[in-house]
Amino acid sequence: DGGITQSPKYLFRKEGQNVTLSCEQNLNHDAMYWYRQDPGQGLRLIYYSQIVNDFQKGDIAEGYSVSREKKESFPLTVTSAQKNPTAFYLCASTMGPGDTQYFGPGTRLTVL
Amino acid sequence: EDQVTQSPEALRLQEGESSSLNCSYTVSGLRGLFWYRQDPGKGPEFLFTLYSAGEEKEKERLKATLTKKESFLHITAPKPEDSATYLCAVQETGTASKLTFGTGTRLQVTL
Repeated sequence: DGGITQSPKYLFRKEGQNVTLSCEQNLNHDAMYWYRQDPGQGLRLIYYSQIVNDFQKGDIAEGYSVSREKKESFPLTVTSAQKNPTAFYLCASTMGPGDTQYFGPGTRLTVL
Repeated sequence: EDQVTQSPEALRLQEGESSSLNCSYTVSGLRGLFWYRQDPGKGPEFLFTLYSAGEEKEKERLKATLTKKESFLHITAPKPEDSATYLCAVQETGTASKLTFGTGTRLQVTL
């Protein structure tokens, strides 16, 4: 089955800790994205990557970092510099500009 | 700056009661408008892509239409399983596939 997987489904973090969220796709898509979803707000773009070894900041990149060493994988690290990290994080991928973005199941991060 | 506004924020329908959801947008040039369905605690599920004014797409009880300023998602004779949040997103020409999302319409369909 082709698709996007995210892990873990739920993640709890203490303040001051960095955590890494996993996103893997087997759709052979070139571009991958990370969004954050908060109650009452639309999805907001954190980072995106159109090709391996290249990525760009989205609208709310502060306190986050990413890497794109493999086409299939685009992990997101939430650093201790992110002031309000509790949110639902969604990964998406697409073949290219104008094509549909398909989403993974999401990771809910809670900071204790 | 791109703007996407969805209305209403929430909608409660009885089974079989048809209605429409609205997505109005402001972009310099539209590359595509996307509709997704999202169930609580899950990722958005793709429904439709519309590219030009006048275009329409249908899937089961859902029909999406597009004008130069807005899109409608028409729901005909809804069932309880249609209950979800419906998200609209636009992609502007010249951008690297970036989507701008509205805040969604929460639809509840009751028996």
